[in-house]
Amino acid sequence: AQTVTQSQPEMSVQEAETVTLSCTYDTSESDYYLFWYKQPPSRQMILVIRQEAYKQQNATENRFSVNFQKAAKSFSLKISDSQLGDAAMYFCAYRETNAGKSTFGDGTTLTVKP
Amino acid sequence: EAGVTQFPSHSVIEKGQTVTLRCDPISGHDNLYWYRRVMGKEIKFLLHFVKESKQDESGMPNNRFLAERTGGTYSTLKVQPAELEDSGVYFCASSQLGSYGYTFGSGTRLTVV
Repeated sequence: AQTVTQSQPEMSVQEAETVTLSCTYDTSESDYYLFWYKQPPSRQMILVIRQEAYKQQNATENRFSVNFQKAAKSFSLKISDSQLGDAAMYFCAYRETNAGKSTFGDGTTLTVKP
Repeated sequence: EAGVTQFPSHSVIEKGQTVTLRCDPISGHDNLYWYRRVMGKEIKFLLHFVKESKQDESGMPNNRFLAERTGGTYSTLKVQPAELEDSGVYFCASSQLGSYGYTFGSGTRLTVV
């Protein structure tokens, strides 16, 4: 069974600094998708960034980028120039290419200090 | 466009009672998913509808949980009878066929006392 592990329950970063959130996963599949979702306090979860496993190039969305290491089964999220609005719980998720359901990690709570 | 709507946002019920959660997906989204997060742990998959059909219900914990999606539009998730361990946040998400990620609702926080 696929598992997703986020080893950092909590992280904090100073405003304007850079922070990296860790995620590892376990799968025997070769083709799949990886996602980072963000859930601000009392608000709905939104998709931050996604990565297709067949792509070697790391995905980037403005200040958000990933470091995808397929062999190591690692998928970390880097947030550059952190802003107060980045404070949220971040979930890493895995989905097989032909499946609908996703497997999520436990989440990392990110605090941004002004 | 309207997002995924879930209600109620909060529900507190006694053990043994029945609760029905509702999810209205984005119009045109054939995929509808139910997930839940219990006691601050990982978000766990419950089931997946494609239109009105249950595509995958492997995550449903037991027969106290019943999900329906009438006419392929909104979905309900009924818990009967509720147990203490059912407490948690129930999320609904929807997506178009072939889409990568989901659009989530804000969740229903269920507390069974």
